[in-house]
Amino acid sequence: AQSVAQPEDQVNVAEGNPLTVKCTYSVSGNPYLFWYVQYPNRGLQFLLKYITGDNLVKGSYGFEAEFNKSQTSFHLKKPSALVSDSALYFCAVRTPGSSNTGKLIFGQGTTLQVKP
Amino acid sequence: DTEVTQTPKHLVMGMTNKKSLKCEQHMGHRAMYWYKQKAKKPPELMFVYSYEKLSINESVPSRFSPECPNSSLLNLHLHALQPEDSALYLCASSQDPPSATGLETQYFGPGTRLLVL
Repeated sequence: AQSVAQPEDQVNVAEGNPLTVKCTYSVSGNPYLFWYVQYPNRGLQFLLKYITGDNLVKGSYGFEAEFNKSQTSFHLKKPSALVSDSALYFCAVRTPGSSNTGKLIFGQGTTLQVKP
Repeated sequence: DTEVTQTPKHLVMGMTNKKSLKCEQHMGHRAMYWYKQKAKKPPELMFVYSYEKLSINESVPSRFSPECPNSSLLNLHLHALQPEDSALYLCASSQDPPSATGLETQYFGPGTRLLVL
């Protein structure tokens, strides 16, 4: 079965410091991985995705993520956090040819709190 | 432009009411989705429409009835809901329908926050 784990319910970081939000996955086959962000009382906004190619993916708002096949991870990173980055972050996975075609498998979400 | 719009933003309804949620996109996307999201939880897929036809129903109770009048619009008709149906209902769309490639990116609207009394 496909699954995604976000091991931290909450991550706290000071403004200006680097941030990492962790994601690990378990799938059969090659994964397609996504990061979404949800600000309070808003829908999900697409940040970035990994399909194939360069393991380092750059996305919106200065975020990037590194695909690590050996560790089955896809951690979200940003060199310098902003208070406005405070939000709920979701990692999600798809696999090609899945019987659940169309279904994104989401992690449980990680709340990022950036303090001034 | 990757905008998906949803109306209304908030909705309060009684258990005997009938109401509808609306979703619209003008990006030429050929697939549209309904999700249900409880507070601080990941979205749960409810329905998928591909080329205006229902392609996935995730065993959703019949008190939720989706409709896709045309390629830009998606409705969710609500009838005889229960208090536990209170949630944020998210609409999403993707350029291509769900396929074996899994490449399509889903873009979400802001959601309708539903409260069932």
